[in-house]
Amino acid sequence: GNSVTQMEGPVTLSEEAFLTINCTYTATGYPSLFWYVQYPGEGLQLLLKATKADDKGSNKGFEATYRKETTSFHLEKGSVQVSDSAVYFCALRGSGNTGKLIFGQGTTLQVKP
Amino acid sequence: EAGVTQFPSHSVIEKGQTVTLRCDPISGHDNLYWYRRVMGKEIKFLLHFVKESKQDESGMPNNRFLAERTGGTYSTLKVQPAELEDSGVYFCASSQGGRASTDTQYFGPGTRLTVL
Repeated sequence: GNSVTQMEGPVTLSEEAFLTINCTYTATGYPSLFWYVQYPGEGLQLLLKATKADDKGSNKGFEATYRKETTSFHLEKGSVQVSDSAVYFCALRGSGNTGKLIFGQGTTLQVKP
Repeated sequence: EAGVTQFPSHSVIEKGQTVTLRCDPISGHDNLYWYRRVMGKEIKFLLHFVKESKQDESGMPNNRFLAERTGGTYSTLKVQPAELEDSGVYFCASSQGGRASTDTQYFGPGTRLTVL
């Protein structure tokens, strides 16, 4: 079945450091891929998405490229800020007429000033 | 426009008791989803409503869980009787309609359930 694996956290970085959170997936067909973020005390928010191979999703300085050959969707940001401290979830939605999201276990990011 | 709201934000109950969680989706959204995150693990899908109909309930763990969406507006998720392993954060999400396979899902803040 479909599944998502993302790197375990917590990840602790200094402000302005480069961020990578790895995400790989297993799926049949052509899934859509997502990164969601949960800031403290809030619900999940869609950060970015990509719906087909080689698509790059981007938002708020974050980027992720849909790599079908490596079944990956790694999240990157060139210079993190304290306000980026949150839990990040990689997710996929399978091909076909389904809305169900399949999530990874989440990676906690803490950015220190 | 109000987002997805959930009530209560936190519930602490004894094993064997009953708890009902409520979700109010964004007005006009036909699709409503329930998910839960147990013990810091991955967020898992529970079920999907399209209006008042259950489209997919493949993620419901057992018959102690009952979800309803009367009238196609708000939804409730009842756990009866609650067990220790039901502890976790229950998220609700909604999306507009049309094609569930492409619509963006908007999530609520979650209900943290603790079963003692």
